[in-house]
Amino acid sequence: DSGVTQTPKHLITATGQRVTLRCSPRSGDLSVYWYQQSLDQGLQFLIQYYNGEERAKGNILERFSAQQFPDLHSELNLSSLELGDSALYFCASSVGGQRGQETQYFGPGTRLLVL
Amino acid sequence: AQSVTQLDSQVPVFEEAPVELRCNYSSSVSVYLFWYVQYPNQGLQLLLKYLSGSTLVESINGFEAEFNKSQTSFHLRKPSVHISDTAEYFCAVIDASGGSYIPTFGRGTSLIVHP
Repeated sequence: DSGVTQTPKHLITATGQRVTLRCSPRSGDLSVYWYQQSLDQGLQFLIQYYNGEERAKGNILERFSAQQFPDLHSELNLSSLELGDSALYFCASSVGGQRGQETQYFGPGTRLLVL
Repeated sequence: AQSVTQLDSQVPVFEEAPVELRCNYSSSVSVYLFWYVQYPNQGLQLLLKYLSGSTLVESINGFEAEFNKSQTSFHLRKPSVHISDTAEYFCAVIDASGGSYIPTFGRGTSLIVHP
């Protein structure tokens, strides 16, 4: 158990809908990262937040957005969903102080299926 | 943009045999290198990482990887594998010279250990 929790574990929805994925980092970690894992694209970094502020942005679509709240949990919002958004979405956390060098602890993921 | 190539999508091997999982990345002046392991239905776990210093890094469960700057490689090795090593292995690179510290992952290598 990494200490990172993600809810829900599974999500089935229809095209055009909007969903919210939630992540609680390990106690004390200030950085949260979001990743998408799909058969087509592999594992892709989406976005990182550090203590409530966006710190790095990867290949995140404009239809996707994220935020980190004062209690440090994070939410990833996916809107106007398409079939191709079906994937496993991982959240990871790290202490946050040393950019790029820190060990990231991954949650178990949310499996999204868009029908 | 950084790219990571894991040449073998699948590596079958017998228990107690040695194994090497290959990883090459596109050239950069300064990189951080990582190997992650993913067991079925779980998130990624950090296996080992190279940040600086000794080019040979080891994990607690017998894996090691060597950073080779001239060949831009970071191959993962284990002298004797166990059934429990069966998993997906991902190589990741962070370009530390660009300032963004965004990780790029390879497509993964499935290690299958046969009894």
